[in-house]
Amino acid sequence: QSVLTQPPSASGTPGQRVTISCSGSSSNIGNNVVNWYRQLPGTAPKLLIYGDNERPSGIPDRFSGSRSGTSASLAIRGLQSDDEAIYYCASWDDRLNGPWLFGGGTKLTVL
Amino acid sequence: QITLKESGPTLVKPTQTLTLTCTFSGFSLNTDGMAVGWIRQPPGKTLEWLALIFWDGDQRYNPSLRTRLTIAKDTSKNQVVLTMTTMDHVDTATYYCALRTDSGRDYWGQGTLVTVSS
Repeated sequence: QSVLTQPPSASGTPGQRVTISCSGSSSNIGNNVVNWYRQLPGTAPKLLIYGDNERPSGIPDRFSGSRSGTSASLAIRGLQSDDEAIYYCASWDDRLNGPWLFGGGTKLTVL
Repeated sequence: QITLKESGPTLVKPTQTLTLTCTFSGFSLNTDGMAVGWIRQPPGKTLEWLALIFWDGDQRYNPSLRTRLTIAKDTSKNQVVLTMTTMDHVDTATYYCALRTDSGRDYWGQGTLVTVSS
């Protein structure tokens, strides 16, 4: 099962800005928008960003997304301790013919 | 308010068929652009999309699991049902259902853990 490529880990100190990358191909990120999710242990993934850079209501503007070519990024500014979680990117994949091709996940640690 | 909730067995034996039901509220699966799908997550691993059904009945399946999956909707009951045949230990996972709108926005259920064990 192919997945989008994310770094397995990332870290930052409170107040910092961190970015998490997500790399794909022309069959997914290159031609389709990206969603980002945050998952805390034992809970369902929570949507942070959809359509590359749209935030659902209730998601603070500390979270932002971008997409360029076959890569996407999630930026978190003003890092807080409760941002510590696993972050997943996802995109429609034309070969999979489905809406959710996920990344392997990035564990964000707040130092 | 849109909500989705998964239900089904928590334990199945190898070779058995799993049937999961997603019961939703706050939207109609008769509405253009709406789709409900299933995603799973084995313990400690990433997420894997399984199947999707659109408002018009169009069905999509993960090619790697296509032969084992069936997705169906019952709009009168606001439910989507997933069946997965020939269950194996590697199918132990938390199974989620999720709404995908035409804007790309998702709404997820809380998930249900299914263990495959004899």
